[in-house]
Amino acid sequence: DTGVSQDPRHKITKRGQNVTFRCDPISEHNRLYWYRQTLGQGPEFLTYFQNEAQLEKSRLLSDRFSAERPKGSFSTLEIQRTEQGDSAMYLCASNPSRPNTEAFFGQGTRLTVV
Amino acid sequence: QQPVQSPQAVILREGEDAVINCSSSKALYSVHWYRQKHGEAPVFLMILLKGGEQKGHEKISASFNEKKQQSSLYLTASQLSYSGTYFCGTGSSNTGKLIFGQGTTLQVKP
Repeated sequence: DTGVSQDPRHKITKRGQNVTFRCDPISEHNRLYWYRQTLGQGPEFLTYFQNEAQLEKSRLLSDRFSAERPKGSFSTLEIQRTEQGDSAMYLCASNPSRPNTEAFFGQGTRLTVV
Repeated sequence: QQPVQSPQAVILREGEDAVINCSSSKALYSVHWYRQKHGEAPVFLMILLKGGEQKGHEKISASFNEKKQQSSLYLTASQLSYSGTYFCGTGSSNTGKLIFGQGTTLQVKP
């Protein structure tokens, strides 16, 4: 088991372009989370999946953001028509669906919108 | 509601102790502590649950005061490897979703 992996690690894009990030969770983990982290701040919750079902999405999340987890394995996060304010680190985490278990984070994808 | 951490930053010498506090305006179900080094993923330190149960795997202790809606992380005899940013996250009972505080940056100097 190699932990949670995210791809790409870095992405630079022009404003208005679409970007897609991928997260591969630890294989036996049912739950998968996406967080966004800006400099000097804690991770901010975006959305979460239990298997393939997206069960919660942050009210702060623009409709330009969409996430999927087909077949309950890897997940993708897409941002359409990127804006400079989308520049951040996007973190993925996973854990089993047992209550009160630690979340394992990936190293994140750093997005820079120019 | 985002929990509030204090202090924002701490500088220590090796061997000194530190306390990091986390306060919430909402009733707490659980508090999760993570440490993040620059450019790396957050790493789990400890979970504290309502009722007093703790789960952790490092030589770090913590407390959880349900009435005051606060948690404190105690770092004793600090080592250089303790440097990083510490986040508390408040957890819900059924989703595992965490709401993180803004972080406390700890720097341990030789």
